[in-house]
Amino acid sequence: DIQMTQSPSSLSASVGDRVTITCRASQGIRNDLGWYQQKPGKAPKRLIYAASSLQSGVPSRFSGSGSGTEFTLTISSLQPEDFATYYCLQHNSYPPAFGQGTKLEIK
Amino acid sequence: QVQLQESGPGLVKPSQTLSLTCTVSGGSISSGGYYWSWIRQHPGKGLEWIGYIYYSGSTYYNPSLKSRVTISVDTSKNQFSLKLSSVTAADTAVYYCARDNLSVDVWGQGTTVTVSS
Repeated sequence: DIQMTQSPSSLSASVGDRVTITCRASQGIRNDLGWYQQKPGKAPKRLIYAASSLQSGVPSRFSGSGSGTEFTLTISSLQPEDFATYYCLQHNSYPPAFGQGTKLEIK
Repeated sequence: QVQLQESGPGLVKPSQTLSLTCTVSGGSISSGGYYWSWIRQHPGKGLEWIGYIYYSGSTYYNPSLKSRVTISVDTSKNQFSLKLSSVTAADTAVYYCARDNLSVDVWGQGTTVTVSS
């Protein structure tokens, strides 16, 4: 099975900050990776698919990059509504695997 | 706009079978092109993929749960279902149904299932 290692596990930042979250795959997964945002009590919401494609309706301050084993999610200028938990998901091989999550908190 | 809605008992006794159904609206499971998945989230924890089914009935299950999981589809009702047998307290979680399209793109709202006597 492919393991996804996400870092950091938590992050404190301020509105307007630029933030980067990383996911590393235990083996190459091409660009078969998505990024998700989850707010308390809600289902996750997809932000990015195919590593770098922005989901329709998602603000352009979110971007994804990477291929192979290393991937990043960047939020260019944090907004108050961005404080949430973020997960990556690889779907290159089965079973699909999520990263353990990054909780983004207000500083 | 496709929407998914989970339904089923919120409380299941240990050793019994957890049964949930996902009703799909705004689109047809039979149209193909998507996998229909179950994912769960233990309290305060991360996400775990359980398995998927295609409209044809082909399935794939997470090996960690494979011996206890059955996912089925009823295209006439536009529903797919999850059965998890021999549950324990470790199966207490929020269960989500989801559509898989270049990774999961549509989620149900989730339903909390507690395993307790």
